Amino acid sequence: SQQGEEDPQALSIQEGENATMNCSYKTSINNLQWYRQNSGRGLVHLILIRSNEREKHSGRLRVTLDTSKKSSSLLITASRAADTASYFCATASYSGGGADGLTFGKGTHLIIQP
Amino acid sequence: NAGVTQTPKFRVLKTGQSMTLLCAQDMNHEYMYWYRQDPGMGLRLIHYSVGEGTTAKGEVPDGYNVSRLKKQNFLLGLESAAPSQTSVYFCASIKGGSQYEQYFGPGTRLTVT
Repeated sequence: SQQGEEDPQALSIQEGENATMNCSYKTSINNLQWYRQNSGRGLVHLILIRSNEREKHSGRLRVTLDTSKKSSSLLITASRAADTASYFCATASYSGGGADGLTFGKGTHLIIQP
Repeated sequence: NAGVTQTPKFRVLKTGQSMTLLCAQDMNHEYMYWYRQDPGMGLRLIHYSVGEGTTAKGEVPDGYNVSRLKKQNFLLGLESAAPSQTSVYFCASIKGGSQYEQYFGPGTRLTVT
């Protein structure tokens, strides 16, 4: 079953604006990761935030994690046309020693209008 | 480094045919995974392996088998393909443990008619 649920499912903004995507999950996690997928391609890792962290930055990306609400958000600042892609959150659980893979949400499809 | 590679990139099968998808990684990663992605969906885990000679079931293992005879290779087999197995299949590998990012291959688009 899907662990994460992204919101919104689709988002269209103008180039230069900020894009915010949210993710909610159901069970306790070890960490939460965000991935980007360009059309017809594999997934590319963007950022990982551990369960004991609240915020993390990487370039134009800012991720927050609220374990009490079981939610995370991804903010992309100063968006560019090249940011057009689908964005997925994925959670890693504590069980299985961390070996049993990631559980993905259905993704947010982001379109940056030039 | 090539990273994670998958062969083939595309394949069309008739119902009942069999095939093997190959995943190879050159990063000396311990853990490897097979996922499937259906339209409008995230990825769902089929099988995974935490080391050479070991495999385990994921969320949607039915109709698939896997083998990890060499550390760098992870094979996904479909013994008798069904239309419900039409999907895009992704392989991923990880250094070891959930605290690391997963590296994904480019995917194999499989159509079963």
